[in-house]
Amino acid sequence: DTAVSQTPKYLVTQMGNDKSIKCEQNLGHDTMYWYKQDSKKFLKIMFSYNNKELIINETVPNRFSPKSPDKAHLNLHINSLELGDSAVYFCASSQADQPQHFGDGTRLSIL
Amino acid sequence: AQSVTQLDSQVPVFEEAPVELRCNYSSSVSVYLFWYVQYPNQGLQLLLKYLSGSTLVKGINGFEAEFNKSQTSFHLRKPSVHISDTAEYFCAVSPLKGAQKLVFGQGTRLTINP
Repeated sequence: DTAVSQTPKYLVTQMGNDKSIKCEQNLGHDTMYWYKQDSKKFLKIMFSYNNKELIINETVPNRFSPKSPDKAHLNLHINSLELGDSAVYFCASSQADQPQHFGDGTRLSIL
Repeated sequence: AQSVTQLDSQVPVFEEAPVELRCNYSSSVSVYLFWYVQYPNQGLQLLLKYLSGSTLVKGINGFEAEFNKSQTSFHLRKPSVHISDTAEYFCAVSPLKGAQKLVFGQGTRLTINP
């Protein structure tokens, strides 16, 4: 009964490939997020969706495209992967002004 | 815009000693404040939050934090640490109004030595 689940947990791929990360939450929350944690452990928001509508879009390369088919799912598609995309990507969800709940992360390694 | 500064990147402490992890923030609007903990190879777990009311907030695992508006600080404390408290700790803020994006500090690595 994991609250926020991400798949895959690990993703190793070549430069130039296209990959997707999936996120699902079973908490009934309206808002979902993607964060990137770099090699120095710094966390920065990338996107946020509220009820399938994009509400936060930080300065992220347009190779990154989020998609929310319904309010329980938020996927992240990355085109033409680059070495600098290597990071841990965290999905989170929240309801109103309550704290965000995080998934366990997807560790993306670009060879 | 908001920013968060965690003044110590690493804090080594002996087991059963007290610890304080420092956090200062800057914001042009009122914010909510949070501390999250990240154990190795895991996601972030909420330790405690300040939304309103009493400035001293108690969280899980014996941690507490005090919100000081005049000093724009939200330091985390624990009176007696355990080996299992070894982890990365993140202070974060989000604005009261508008999109609820978390702005994180750089993290503090807490290492407990026996």
